Amino acid sequence: EDQVTQSPEALRLQEGESSSLNCSYTVSGLRGLFWYRQDPGKGPEFLFTLYSAGEEKEKERLKATLTKKESFLHITAPKPEDSATYLCAAGGTSYGKLTFGQGTILTVHP
Amino acid sequence: DGGITQSPKYLFRKEGQNVTLSCEQNLNHDAMYWYRQDPGQGLRLIYYSQIVNDFQKGDIAEGYSVSREKKESFPLTVTSAQKNPTAFYLCASADPTIRNYEQYFGPGTRLTVT
Repeated sequence: EDQVTQSPEALRLQEGESSSLNCSYTVSGLRGLFWYRQDPGKGPEFLFTLYSAGEEKEKERLKATLTKKESFLHITAPKPEDSATYLCAAGGTSYGKLTFGQGTILTVHP
Repeated sequence: DGGITQSPKYLFRKEGQNVTLSCEQNLNHDAMYWYRQDPGQGLRLIYYSQIVNDFQKGDIAEGYSVSREKKESFPLTVTSAQKNPTAFYLCASADPTIRNYEQYFGPGTRLTVT
C-alpha cells in the first residue's frame, strides 16, 4: 500500500528564517512526486512535480528536491505570505491515483 | 480562462437528505477526481474517472455516487448512507497524456449536515 508521511505537522518561523519541510514516501514505481500549497478554505494550488531522484525545481523562495525515499521543500527567507498548508502527494503504479500526506501547516511571523 | 469550478461554495443540508455537488472543468482534461478533506487529515480519494461514462471507486466511496456523462462535468452525490458527510469536498482534473497525474483542483465545497 502506498504511503506518504509529512513532517513536521506544523512549523512556525520568523520572517527570513529558512527551513525545510519533509515528505517521506513508500510508493511502488514512483511516477511523480507533487507539492501543493493550500490556503485556508481554498483548493490546493499546484507547485511542483518531481519525477526522478536528484531532480530539483525552484519557484521564488521555494525549492523542491527528491531522493529515492523522500522529498524536501526548502523555504528560503520566508515571508508572512508564505504561510499556508503544504501538501505532498505521490503517484505510483495505480494509474491516475495520488496518495496525499496529511500536510504541514507553515506559519511565518513578521 | 481555463479552470475548474465547484458550486456552491457552502452547502447546508439536513441529515437524511441526498445532496449533489457540482464540478465543471474547461481544461479539456480526460481525468477527474473527487476528494474529501477533514481537519488535520490529508486528501482522501472518493471516486475518479479516467474517461467519459467510466469511473472507479477510490478509498472511501461508501455513501457516495458519481456520474460522468460529459467530459466537462463530474457531479458527486452525497447520499444519506454516508455516516459523516460534513467535510470539505475538492474536485480535481488531470490530463494524463501530458503530465501524468498532475492534478489541478477547484476551489472546493464545504458541506455541513446537521
